[in-house]
Amino acid sequence: DSGVTQTPKHLITATGQRVTLRCSPRSGDLSVYWYQQSLDQGLQFLIQYYNGEERAKGNILERFSAQQFPDLHSELNLSSLELGDSALYFCASSPQIAGGAETQYFGPGTRLLVL
Amino acid sequence: KNEVEQSPQNLTAQEGEFITINCSYSVGISALHWLQQHPGGGIVSLFMLSSGKKKHGRLIATINIQEKHSSLHITASHPRDSAVYICAAIQGAQKLVFGQGTRLTINP
Repeated sequence: DSGVTQTPKHLITATGQRVTLRCSPRSGDLSVYWYQQSLDQGLQFLIQYYNGEERAKGNILERFSAQQFPDLHSELNLSSLELGDSALYFCASSPQIAGGAETQYFGPGTRLLVL
Repeated sequence: KNEVEQSPQNLTAQEGEFITINCSYSVGISALHWLQQHPGGGIVSLFMLSSGKKKHGRLIATINIQEKHSSLHITASHPRDSAVYICAAIQGAQKLVFGQGTRLTINP
């Protein structure tokens, strides 16, 4: 158990809909990262938040947005869903105290299926 | 060409064999992660290294920054080592760029 929790575990929805994925980082970790793992693209970095502020952006679509709240939990919002958005979405957290490279701790993932 | 390349993509071996998985990268990195993804989907960070070698139990990871290459070795492999192993290069402070993964199957 990494200490990172994600809800829900599974999500089935229809094209055009909007969903929210939630992530609670390990106690004390200030950074949260979101990743997408699809069959054809593998794992891709989406976005990083540090202590409530966006720190780095990867291959995140404009239809997707994220935020980190004062209690450090994070939400990833996916809107106007398409079939190709079906994937496993992971969040990870790290302390990000000293800066530089740190071990990231991964949550169990949310499996999204868009029908 | 992917920025991070792993080889082989698939590897099947017998229990007890010495396993090597390779990772080459073309980008500048601050460090490199080796991750293990279990059949159920969960991801565990095995190592993070920026130079030299690290060892944990039967797992050894090495990195050569000049050659832009890292290897993950498993000694005395066991069926429970069966998983997908992923290397991820860390660009800048924290952005991960992932390899496509190596699917390892250890037969009893």
